[in-house]
Amino acid sequence: DAGVIQSPRHEVTEMGQEVTLRCKPISGHDYLFWYRQTMMRGLELLIYFNNNVPIDDSGMPEDRFSAKMPNASFSTLKIQPSEPRDSAVYFCASTSLGGTSGSIGELFFGEGSRLTVL
Amino acid sequence: AQSVSQHNHHVILSEAASLELGCNYSYGGTVNLFWYVQYPGQHLQLLLKYFSGDPLVKGIKGFEAEFIKSKFSFNLRKPSVQWSDTAEYFCAVIPPRRQNFVFGPGTRLSVLP
Repeated sequence: DAGVIQSPRHEVTEMGQEVTLRCKPISGHDYLFWYRQTMMRGLELLIYFNNNVPIDDSGMPEDRFSAKMPNASFSTLKIQPSEPRDSAVYFCASTSLGGTSGSIGELFFGEGSRLTVL
Repeated sequence: AQSVSQHNHHVILSEAASLELGCNYSYGGTVNLFWYVQYPGQHLQLLLKYFSGDPLVKGIKGFEAEFIKSKFSFNLRKPSVQWSDTAEYFCAVIPPRRQNFVFGPGTRLSVLP
């Protein structure tokens, strides 16, 4: 398997523009997570899906952020309008059940999308 | 609030020194535990995991971790570090009856040649 695939790898945009980040999870995984990583706040969970359904979006910073998963092999994270404070590396990760007591197993991360908002 | 904490923000060691990075969590009940490593400019990769059984877990690249339930701890160790171990290390927990990962703030390890 090719692993979790994210695009774009780098995005530079101007404040106010719409940004769309894309993710293709590992085939067969039914959990998908979006994380944001910054120096100041570390690794933050934004939202996660199970079987394409959003389960917990309490980490989404504000209404400017939205995420969708229209099918098992594709998810998007959209920021509209973007602001300089959104500059970060955004990671997508996927997994499936595999731990104890029916819990999820190892989390596989994509390479990340580095977003710079000027 | 329930959380995952890591004792050190930045650790600096010389090559061949021994390493121990602390991780504590505040969830009761059955948890699944992980250590991830992030090399400079790369994504997070799994070092090792604990689901059940032997509390001493061996991972890749000579790393190991010990789960001590009574202390709510899952410390990472390596007897002799190398320059190539320079990276950021994250402890992560799947809380009981949950299906999400909670990550610690990370510990940056710098190994001097």
